[in-house]
Amino acid sequence: KAGVTQTPRYLIKTRGQQVTLSCSPISGHRSVSWYQQTPGQGLQFLFEYFSETQRNKGNFPGRFSGRQFSNSRSEMNVSTLELGDSALYLCASSLRFGLTSYNEQFFGPGTRLTVL
Amino acid sequence: GESVGLHLPTLSVQEGDNSIINCAYSNSASDYFIWYKQESGKGPQFIIDIRSNMDKRQGQRVTVLLNKTVKHLSLQIAATQPGDSAVYFCAENSGYSTLTFGKGTMLLVSP
Repeated sequence: KAGVTQTPRYLIKTRGQQVTLSCSPISGHRSVSWYQQTPGQGLQFLFEYFSETQRNKGNFPGRFSGRQFSNSRSEMNVSTLELGDSALYLCASSLRFGLTSYNEQFFGPGTRLTVL
Repeated sequence: GESVGLHLPTLSVQEGDNSIINCAYSNSASDYFIWYKQESGKGPQFIIDIRSNMDKRQGQRVTVLLNKTVKHLSLQIAATQPGDSAVYFCAENSGYSTLTFGKGTMLLVSP
């Protein structure tokens, strides 16, 4: 069974541009969460989707948005990019909503975004 | 490879030693805790988890201890191997599928 896949793996943008990142969860997984990882702030939760609905949102500005499609694939968008948005963006999927020992969250390899 | 963190606490051990990585969590309402391992260029990988109604859980070469009184987690790795070298994160879950991660500890294992 394939793991969580994220595209693209690497991306370079300039300030003011916008970017869309894609995540394909493990087959059968319906919950997708997004995290931002930076050296200074570590791993921070962005948002979580289940059944095409955003269920929870982290403390990020409105420039960060996302969506989930009927096949559980998810995209996140960052508009008006700032230098501080440079980070590794990680997607994680789980079978169902709510984490337990029987509903683990599996991470993809991430998309490395560099904003110049 | 990509750096997952600068200025992380670092634990350096010799191959064959036992390693103990500690983590303080923040939310007393958290009821599920996970340890992840992250190697350079990869996403976090699940190691072991524990629910708040337990104090200890063992896996293969790994043990997690939970002290709810002082909001402290530890990960013990027995007979540490060079392949265990990575950044280790604790994460807490207090609802939904949202994880709050600790800052991470870099484990360096010398052969």
